[in-house]
Amino acid sequence: GQNIDQPTEMTATEGAIVQINCTYQTSGFNGLFWYQQHAGEAPTFLSYNVLDGLEEKGRFSSFLSRSKGYSYLLLKELQMKDSASYLCAVKDSNYQLIWGAGTKLIIKP
Amino acid sequence: ETGVTQTPRHLVMGMTNKKSLKCEQHLGHNAMYWYKQSAKKPLELMFVYNFKEQTENNSVPSRFSPECPNSSHLFLHLHTLQPEDSALYLCASSQALGDFDYGYTFGSGTRLTVV
Repeated sequence: GQNIDQPTEMTATEGAIVQINCTYQTSGFNGLFWYQQHAGEAPTFLSYNVLDGLEEKGRFSSFLSRSKGYSYLLLKELQMKDSASYLCAVKDSNYQLIWGAGTKLIIKP
Repeated sequence: ETGVTQTPRHLVMGMTNKKSLKCEQHLGHNAMYWYKQSAKKPLELMFVYNFKEQTENNSVPSRFSPECPNSSHLFLHLHTLQPEDSALYLCASSQALGDFDYGYTFGSGTRLTVV
């Protein structure tokens, strides 16, 4: 079967750095997405990786290793507004999105 | 505002009621999706429409009935639901089926409670 694993919950301190990991086992691979979802709001697109390496976008970076079936989302200079759930999703060989259950990130002052 | 609007935001219904969820997108996208989001579970794909045609029904019970009158509007008709159907129902759209390198655009969802 297809599976995406990510931690259920993480806690970090304002101003610090946090890394949210995602591992996947899917039938084929056509890219990996990270979404942010604040409570009661729509998931919003953060990043897309299809090649190995690091993609940087401001305070957020996303890394992919296809050989290891592994990705992480790195958030720097954490702000209280970064408290949200972070969803990892993989596009499989049929171009279907396979989703993880999400990681709830709690930021403390 | 994401460009995908869902109404109502909250819905409480009895198991014998009939209600409908509405989704409208103003992005010119051609593919639309219904997802179910339950606490601590991955998003569950329910239905996919591409150019108004249903391309996927992910073994969803018949008490959920989708309708897509045009590429901008998507409905989910609900009847005789069960308490386990309580969840957040999300609508999403993309430029084309399978071609969403920039990701889906989601609505804010309808929080459904079945009593």
